[in-house]
Amino acid sequence: GQNIDQPTEMTATEGAIVQINCTYQTSGFNGLFWYQQHAGEAPTFLSYNVLDGLEEKGRFSSFLSRSKGYSYLLLKELQMKDSASYLCAYMDSNYQLIWGAGTKLIIKP
Amino acid sequence: IAGITQAPTSQILAAGRRMTLRCTQDMRHNAMYWYRQDLGLGLRLIHYSNTAGTTGKGEVPDGYSVSRANTDDFPLTLASAVPSQTSVYFCASSSEGGGNNEQFFGPGTRLTVL
Repeated sequence: GQNIDQPTEMTATEGAIVQINCTYQTSGFNGLFWYQQHAGEAPTFLSYNVLDGLEEKGRFSSFLSRSKGYSYLLLKELQMKDSASYLCAYMDSNYQLIWGAGTKLIIKP
Repeated sequence: IAGITQAPTSQILAAGRRMTLRCTQDMRHNAMYWYRQDLGLGLRLIHYSNTAGTTGKGEVPDGYSVSRANTDDFPLTLASAVPSQTSVYFCASSSEGGGNNEQFFGPGTRLTVL
């Protein structure tokens, strides 16, 4: 299979903070993407990182460490509508996206 | 229309039949993609096209073919369907291939091969 891993499922409480990790191994790297996918719907773009560091976008932030092959998506002030799957994907040397299996995030009141 | 559309929404197909999944975008994007999504697996790229008139193979191309006669349309054909092709199929597009170009996804086609 592809060398990208993320937890299968996570649970968090409304109003809290959750961090979803993603690790990958690749010899060619052209960026790391995060997408959100609600059940039965299409994935939608959340973030893109190509340089090390944190990118903040409202309640969502994404971090990348290229040397460690590691990224995380941080969701703050969780809302019930954030219940979804979060997909991590890296772009390989052929500029194709290699996708993780997704992390299903369950938000409890 | 605005964005990317797919047809049909869902289909049940007998094994051995030929089937074409349609995909159309009106964003004038150069790059288009076909993925399949199976439970427990990540999205897997079947075929892609970086510009009209060109196509390329992705990770799982066997049993599938595509064409890109114009910018807007990117149909995916299953020549002789098999049960292992039961999946949800997503078409996507981006302004260009590669780099930080966000991919926009269609609503998907749920295909069942019996």
